[in-house]
Amino acid sequence: AQSVTQLGSHVSVSEGALVLLRCNYSSSVPPYLFWYVQYPNQGLQLLLKYTSAATLVKGINGFEAEFKKSETSFHLTKPSAHMSDAAEYFCAVSDYTGTASKLTFGTGTRLQVTL
Amino acid sequence: GAGVSQSPSNKVTEKGKDVELRCDPISGHTALYWYRQSLGQGLEFLIYFQGNSAPDKSGLPSDRFSAERTGGSVSTLTIQRTQQEDSAVYLCASSLTGGVGDTQYFGPGTRLTVL
Repeated sequence: AQSVTQLGSHVSVSEGALVLLRCNYSSSVPPYLFWYVQYPNQGLQLLLKYTSAATLVKGINGFEAEFKKSETSFHLTKPSAHMSDAAEYFCAVSDYTGTASKLTFGTGTRLQVTL
Repeated sequence: GAGVSQSPSNKVTEKGKDVELRCDPISGHTALYWYRQSLGQGLEFLIYFQGNSAPDKSGLPSDRFSAERTGGSVSTLTIQRTQQEDSAVYLCASSLTGGVGDTQYFGPGTRLTVL
């Protein structure tokens, strides 16, 4: 089974600072990787998705992630944090079971943005 | 266009009662998923539908949990004889084909509280 690990359950940055949220994956096959964001009392919104077309993936709201096979990583970055980025972020891998492509999620990273 | 909708948004019930949670997927999406989000367990896969069939029910935690999908559209997740450990947010997602790497779009969730 494939899995993802998110390092750091809480990350705090100042407004305007770089955002870096870490995700490492474990997969025996080329993975499909996702980043989702969850705002309070809402569902999950797709930020971006890696499908092997390009190693640097650009998403919504200025976020991007780089797939690094040698490091088995798919870290999420944003050059300049905004107060509205405060939310919980989940990394996920598409795990094909033979009958379904379910998502296996990391434990999430809560991003706090301070003035 | 309309996204995935879920009802009710909140449900409070007493231990031992049955509850039904509803999901309306994006029109035209053949694949439908249920996940559970709880403090102790994070985001867990419950069940996957392709059309009206459920080829993967591996995530259902006990036989008190069941789900059906009708007309290739609406799905209902039923929990019988609810227990306090069933308290969680139940998320529904749909995707176009259910294939590997297919993007899953999530609804806002139903927050279930079992007293």
